[in-house]
Amino acid sequence: GAVVSQHPSWVICKSGTSVKIECRSLDFQATTMFWYRQFPKQSLMLMATSNEGSKATYEQGVEKDKFLINHASLTLSTLTVTSAHPEDSSFYICSARGGASDEQYFGPGTRLTVT
Amino acid sequence: QKEVEQNSGPLSVPEGAIASLNCTYSDRGSQSFFWYRQYSGKSPELIMFIYSNGDKEDGRFTAQLNKASQYVSLLIRDSQPSDSATYLCAVHSGGGADGLTFGKGTHLIIQP
Repeated sequence: GAVVSQHPSWVICKSGTSVKIECRSLDFQATTMFWYRQFPKQSLMLMATSNEGSKATYEQGVEKDKFLINHASLTLSTLTVTSAHPEDSSFYICSARGGASDEQYFGPGTRLTVT
Repeated sequence: QKEVEQNSGPLSVPEGAIASLNCTYSDRGSQSFFWYRQYSGKSPELIMFIYSNGDKEDGRFTAQLNKASQYVSLLIRDSQPSDSATYLCAVHSGGGADGLTFGKGTHLIIQP
């Protein structure tokens, strides 16, 4: 149980374009989903928290107009990186949490490269 | 500022020995503690979680929590080469919908 998928697993895009990443909980309903970013040899940094049907809560320093998050259902959240730039190149990982449990289960991640 | 500290390593342990990984955290109000394993280029995989002071055992893994000292550890018994990875300590402060605060991880190498 507790399987989370992400799509795509990797993407290369040109500077100035937008990229959408999907995160799905496959066998449970995720009341809360989280988006993290990890640069090489760094730890995971929380970008934002999203609850189904409400606006995402962004961490300090994360631009909400650049990183658009939608959590339209209990099994799907999307992160759109708008007008991507090379400095946005990173490993983006979502996690999902269901019910009253604190455990978070991570998706396999999406490696974004902006050229 | 919530902080989670780990020794980055690398920590080198002979195969079959016990690997001991340590973590300290700054937020005294933290309520939930997690250990994740991350292989290079992959996303983290949950190994253990612990909420109460004391020890929690699951197979070859034992998590230990001491809230008074703000310290959590992970013991891996009978270490295997496949245990070689980066181990991330994560802390949840509880309440609301907060994400986890991660340490930078300890790189563990199990020597055959």
